[in-house]
Amino acid sequence: AQSVTQLDSQVPVFEEAPVELRCNYSSSVSVYLFWYVQYPNQGLQLLLKYLSGSTLVKGINGFEAEFNKSQTSFHLRKPSVHISDTAEYFCAVSDMDSSYKLIFGSGTRLLVRP
Amino acid sequence: SQTIHQWPATLVQPVGSPLSLECTVEGTSNPNLYWYRQAAGRGLQLLFYSVGIGQISSEVPQNLSASRPQDRQFILSSKKLLLSDSGFYLCAWKGSFYGYTFGSGTRLTVV
Repeated sequence: AQSVTQLDSQVPVFEEAPVELRCNYSSSVSVYLFWYVQYPNQGLQLLLKYLSGSTLVKGINGFEAEFNKSQTSFHLRKPSVHISDTAEYFCAVSDMDSSYKLIFGSGTRLLVRP
Repeated sequence: SQTIHQWPATLVQPVGSPLSLECTVEGTSNPNLYWYRQAAGRGLQLLFYSVGIGQISSEVPQNLSASRPQDRQFILSSKKLLLSDSGFYLCAWKGSFYGYTFGSGTRLTVV
């Protein structure tokens, strides 16, 4: 069965500093990986997704993520964060064998300080 | 273009009352549909998913049920709400190329 682990429940960082949000997954088959952002009391917005091809995926708002199959990781990075990046970030995995269910990690709260 | 509608946005219900949350999708046909719940300070838990009319798969045994009476309509229900049913409920559909789109959510508070 699929599962997703986001080891950091909260990541504090100063404005304009780089940030990495960690995500590890487990699955017995080929996977599709996603990062979503959730602002307070709102739904989810897709940041980026990995389906196949290049392991470095670029998304919206300057975020990127790298798929590492050997380490079963899909860490999210941004070279310079803004106050407006403060939000909850969710990593998710889906695969063909599970009827395309999207399984989420527990989320990481990114707190950007001035 | 495809859109997803979810209502109501907020709901306060007493313990023991029934629940009905509705989700509809426009601009697509035969979508995979999903209901998620987000408890306070926690991640998203998949509750139900449907790959077609009348087909429902339950992920977690609980006080809730789901139905899909029409191709683009997905309903989450309960006969008697519990305090533990409080949370943020999100509907989603899977489009082409694994584009999962989420509704704006319903904040349910059971009192």
